Amino acid sequence: GAVVSQHPSWVICKSGTSVKIECRSLDFQATTMFWYRQFPKQSLMLMATSNEGSKATYEQGVEKDKFLINHASLTLSTLTVTSAHPEDSSFYICSASLGAEGEAFFGQGTRLTVV
Amino acid sequence: AQSVTQPDIHITVSEGASLELRCNYSYGATPYLFWYVQSPGQGLQLLLKYFSGDTLVQGIKGFEAEFKRSQSSFNLRKPSVHWSDAAEYFCAVGDPGTASKLTFGTGTRLQVTL
Repeated sequence: GAVVSQHPSWVICKSGTSVKIECRSLDFQATTMFWYRQFPKQSLMLMATSNEGSKATYEQGVEKDKFLINHASLTLSTLTVTSAHPEDSSFYICSASLGAEGEAFFGQGTRLTVV
Repeated sequence: AQSVTQPDIHITVSEGASLELRCNYSYGATPYLFWYVQSPGQGLQLLLKYFSGDTLVQGIKGFEAEFKRSQSSFNLRKPSVHWSDAAEYFCAVGDPGTASKLTFGTGTRLQVTL
């Protein structure tokens, strides 16, 4: 089956610094990737849709200048949390698909803790 | 916009008992429907999906789900629960015309007693 890998699995950073999370499709080319955020004991909320070679589409209420998404190749999308603050601490999960009609495959998630 | 409702936040069942997790969706057409399971601190594992065809869908780990258009439901069932099934279960629906951009329900936490 299709494999999506996220790195790192967990990260602790100081308030005010930036953190980059990678999402890779290991055995297929993903034209579209999605980034979700999950607060403790809550559901997953879509943050943005990332299409290879174009700007990401952010969901309402998501600060695009704070959560920078880059999808420079068909196998890699990155999410950079800029000037992180404790309220950005969360579980971030990416998914990747072959296109709009294809189902999504999820990464294992990244636990971000901002101290 | 589409939405997904999982009425049960927390369910406790005894090992060996049957299980049904409820999921209702709001969607104009026939949706793409999914059930995922998440263990603590882990990513999502797809249990099963419905795109079209037979309304009773078989998944992994002995799970099945039935799509009922008249009730806008996609309930997950398992005839005999194992202790290892304890986890968080999410129902999800794809955006119109897509199976990959998902809206998730709030989740149901399953606890299994021995």
